[in-house]
Amino acid sequence: GQNIDQPTEMTATEGAIVQINCTYQTSGFNGLFWYQQHAGEAPTFLSYNVLDGLEEKGRFSSFLSRSKGYSYLLLKELQMKDSASYLCAVSTDSWGKFQFGAGTQVVVTP
Amino acid sequence: EAGVTQFPSHSVIEKGQTVTLRCDPISGHDNLYWYRRVMGKEIKFLLHFVKESKQDESGMPNNRFLAERTGGTYSTLKVQPAELEDSGVYFCASSREYGRGFDEQFFGPGTRLTVL
Repeated sequence: GQNIDQPTEMTATEGAIVQINCTYQTSGFNGLFWYQQHAGEAPTFLSYNVLDGLEEKGRFSSFLSRSKGYSYLLLKELQMKDSASYLCAVSTDSWGKFQFGAGTQVVVTP
Repeated sequence: EAGVTQFPSHSVIEKGQTVTLRCDPISGHDNLYWYRRVMGKEIKFLLHFVKESKQDESGMPNNRFLAERTGGTYSTLKVQPAELEDSGVYFCASSREYGRGFDEQFFGPGTRLTVL
């Protein structure tokens, strides 16, 4: 079947690094996206990977291995404002039909 | 540029009533998507418009749901009659060009629908 799995919750200390893993099995693959969502707000785009490898954007990096059906989002130098839900989403066709994981709630503690 | 907006932010209705949700995408975005998140579950795809045409409505739960995008600008999603299981947060998203599945989608803040 089709599924996208990511951990439910992760806790880390301010200034630390956290890695959120995402594994996927989907009928199609046209890119993997990471979104951040604060409670009650719109999901906001963080990064995406189409090809294998690492993409770096400031404090956030995302990695993709298509052969393994695996991605991770790396958050460095954690700040309190990074406390949010992080959504892994796969674009399953050329029209941008997204399939989402359930989200990982990251809690940053002082 | 203004982001994706949705109205209302919250709606509480009784079972059997009708509700219409509205989404205004970012100006110039051809693609408009509707998604839904029910309690405790992941966000799920409902349908996709390219301009005013429905490209994919495979995620629509049943015929109580009707989506329109007249003139290729804003879109409405009507639920008639609403059932308890329709409760959830309805998100709208838009992106620029069709035929590019790796385009970033810009999401609205969602409409929280509660059916009593």
